[in-house]
Amino acid sequence: AQSVTQLGSHVSVSEGALVLLRCNYSSSVPPYLFWYVQYPNQGLQLLLKYTSAATLVKGINGFEAEFKKSETSFHLTKPSAHMSDAAEYFCAVSSSGGSNYKLTFGKGTLLTVNP
Amino acid sequence: DTEVTQTPKHLVMGMTNKKSLKCEQHMGHRAMYWYKQKAKKPPELMFVYSYEKLSINESVPSRFSPECPNSSLLNLHLHALQPEDSALYLCASSRTRGGQTYNEQFFGPGTRLTVL
Repeated sequence: AQSVTQLGSHVSVSEGALVLLRCNYSSSVPPYLFWYVQYPNQGLQLLLKYTSAATLVKGINGFEAEFKKSETSFHLTKPSAHMSDAAEYFCAVSSSGGSNYKLTFGKGTLLTVNP
Repeated sequence: DTEVTQTPKHLVMGMTNKKSLKCEQHMGHRAMYWYKQKAKKPPELMFVYSYEKLSINESVPSRFSPECPNSSLLNLHLHALQPEDSALYLCASSRTRGGQTYNEQFFGPGTRLTVL
């Protein structure tokens, strides 16, 4: 069984400040990990993914995440927030073997960016 | 073309109506998915098609009936829905590799469904 916990359902930052969205996972096999962003009334867009290559993963829009096996974490960061980053962010996990078609999502973190 | 399209964008239907949601992708993906998303919640998986065959049904009520007529199209037929079925319905697709589904899923913009 696999699961994802996103700490903080709502994160608020000032424009230009560091963005840190937390994600911890549980998986009995090596995981694939994903961060998706969802803007209001839109579908999900993939920000970045970890698939057992480099542990520091760079994504679109200046976001990056670091896979830390010892901490079972995959936190999302961005050095400087823009107003356009305001959205819902979902961390997701799937297993790397067997029937790995299922994505298990966290509950999401709403990011608010203040001017 | 790295896009998943969904029609219609919005749909309002009564509980006795029959309607269909459509999803299309031209990325050559052989796995396609339907998700249901309620407000302020993560997407919930409903169905998975792999090579045009239904491989997963997450115990979805029979008033939702999926169909995959070819490798690019995915439909969701709706009949006798309830107001609690109102939600955003998302379609996604992904590659497959060696028969296993590789799970970078590409999502469409969704259909906003309201059941009156």
